[in-house]
Amino acid sequence: GENVEQHPSTLSVQEGDSAVIKCTYSDSASNYFPWYKQELGKRPQLIIDIRSNVGEKKDQRIAVTLNKTAKHFSLHITETQPEDSAVYFCAATDTDKLIFGTGTRLQVFP
Amino acid sequence: DAGVIQSPRHEVTEMGQEVTLRCKPISGHNSLFWYRQTMMRGLELLIYFNNNVPIDDSGMPEDRFSAKMPNASFSTLKIQPSEPRDSAVYFCASSLLGQGSEQYFGPGTRLTVT
Repeated sequence: GENVEQHPSTLSVQEGDSAVIKCTYSDSASNYFPWYKQELGKRPQLIIDIRSNVGEKKDQRIAVTLNKTAKHFSLHITETQPEDSAVYFCAATDTDKLIFGTGTRLQVFP
Repeated sequence: DAGVIQSPRHEVTEMGQEVTLRCKPISGHNSLFWYRQTMMRGLELLIYFNNNVPIDDSGMPEDRFSAKMPNASFSTLKIQPSEPRDSAVYFCASSLLGQGSEQYFGPGTRLTVT
């Protein structure tokens, strides 16, 4: 079955800097890769996703890149703001069942 | 749209008691997922249903856990008997059937078993 690894587990950046979170997956059949953001005490919410026929996708300050050959994908947040502080989860699947990474706690310091 | 509804939001119970968590998915969604979240194990999928039929229950920890979906608008997750190690936040999520559909999470139920 699919296995998703996520790094780093914690990430601290200064406001305005960029943040990068990386994930690797094991199942070459996986073709859908969403990213969820979970604020403290809240539910996970989808922030961006990418499918295997696309190498990069951007939405304002966030972008995701996918390298199918290497089986890894990354989340990039530019011009970070304090409200970006949260836990971010990557996931991968080729079915309805999402396999989540272990999460990255991002702290953005003013 | 009210989103995914879960009840109760908080549950405190004693070891050995039965616990029932409830979920109402978003109207029109035909896939429903139950997750458990802990600091140690992260976000784990317990079971999911497509069109009210259980598809994959390989994440259910043991026989003490059971889940049902009697109709398209209601699902339950039951733990009997409960144990302290079951303490966690339990999320229900729903989506439209089909690979690559966004999963919408409910607010979660924080379960504490003493």
